[in-house]
Amino acid sequence: GESVGLHLPTLSVQEGDNSIINCAYSNSASDYFIWYKQESGKGPQFIIDIRSNMDKRQGQRVTVLLNKTVKHLSLQIAATQPGDSAVYFCAEMEAGGFKTIFGAGTRLFVKA
Amino acid sequence: DADVTQTPRNRITKTGKRIMLECSQTKGHDRMYWYRQDPGLGLRLIYYSFDVKDINKGEISDGYSVSRQAQAKFSLSLESAIPNQTALYFCATSDIRTSGGETQYFGPGTRLLVL
Repeated sequence: GESVGLHLPTLSVQEGDNSIINCAYSNSASDYFIWYKQESGKGPQFIIDIRSNMDKRQGQRVTVLLNKTVKHLSLQIAATQPGDSAVYFCAEMEAGGFKTIFGAGTRLFVKA
Repeated sequence: DADVTQTPRNRITKTGKRIMLECSQTKGHDRMYWYRQDPGLGLRLIYYSFDVKDINKGEISDGYSVSRQAQAKFSLSLESAIPNQTALYFCATSDIRTSGGETQYFGPGTRLLVL
């Protein structure tokens, strides 16, 4: 597979446990945040997003939390499954902006 | 995503050669992007285009050029390839979500090795 993220932070969890992936962002002007999932051999795929006027948003088995005070974003995955093994990227956009800035990513390993 | 396709999927070339990476999309989006991905560095923007007549440089455009031949096609060229352009290249399209933000849809990537 691709040699994507050879030096990425790594999180290893047991199948069925909950996973929490964290991301720190630096731009106070960012008002839109996205999590992407990248499986081996594929491009990143949208998981969930959140605007800065919210602090929590839930999807199917995933929850994104936003703490603007400390510029921190997290992705929670409930009942983690082997298919969740991937690299996860957080991304941010400024209000009225046109560029998405991606974080370096976190690799999630799910142990069966 | 089958909606965004990239060719070739893998390419080996030599220093100094000119090569072109192609991207096509069937999503009907106006916005298209080229990124490169290197281990530990995430995705970095090379060029972006908001419509056929609008081309803009990203953060790492040196050594690259692009052409937006049609709404559905956006190609990336390396005029004279060098080894540090060895990377994984992604094309993406985007639309505006109801939340007001923007979601990007990525192709499968092109792995480029410059010897």
